[in-house]
Amino acid sequence: DIVLTQSPALAVSLGQRATISCRASQSVSTSSYNLMHWYQQKPGEQPKLLIYDASNLASGIPVRFSGSGSGTDFTLTINPVQADDIATYYCQQSRELPLTFGSGTKLEIK
Amino acid sequence: QVTLKESGPGMLQPSKTLSLTCSFSGFSLSTSGMVVSWIRQPSGKSLEWLAAIDWDGDKYYNPSLKSRLTVSKDTSNTQVFLKITSVDIADTATYYCARRLTMWYFDYWGQGVMVTVSS
Repeated sequence: DIVLTQSPALAVSLGQRATISCRASQSVSTSSYNLMHWYQQKPGEQPKLLIYDASNLASGIPVRFSGSGSGTDFTLTINPVQADDIATYYCQQSRELPLTFGSGTKLEIK
Repeated sequence: QVTLKESGPGMLQPSKTLSLTCSFSGFSLSTSGMVVSWIRQPSGKSLEWLAAIDWDGDKYYNPSLKSRLTVSKDTSNTQVFLKITSVDIADTATYYCARRLTMWYFDYWGQGVMVTVSS
């Protein structure tokens, strides 16, 4: 299985940039796609798709969210961070089955 | 409007079979490329992909649990089911169903159903 590693927590000030990383145990990119996706989950809620294929913004997601990366290293950026962004963020790979998720990064306000 | 909603027993005893239902609307599972998947999340922990069924009836399982899982759908393509046999405390989690369009990421999720395994 592909293991996705995320830092447990990140503290940022409101209005600043948050950079959340996800590292895969092997490449999740093909010649055409970077098969990494990002979700936001608030307490008591279901996950919400933010970014698909590493850098594509999902429908209805604010442009302050962006994604980048290829191969094994991927980043979700939130700029500027707003109070409503307090949540846990998960990466997910779809390069191969079984699909796997990272352990999540909890975004906290400094 | 796409919606998915999970239902299940709430609580069951170890060694029993867990039966979950995902009822959805706003899309048809008979549409080419469409998939409904099951994903679970123990309290305070990350997400684990369990199984999926596609528009053609093909089934996909997480190998780590495959021997205990059965995913199916109804003939009207409005419900998907998941059975997990021989449950134990480690199966205590919130279970989500989610929709996949054509690639393996999930654009719509149900609200989740909490399942507790306890004697």
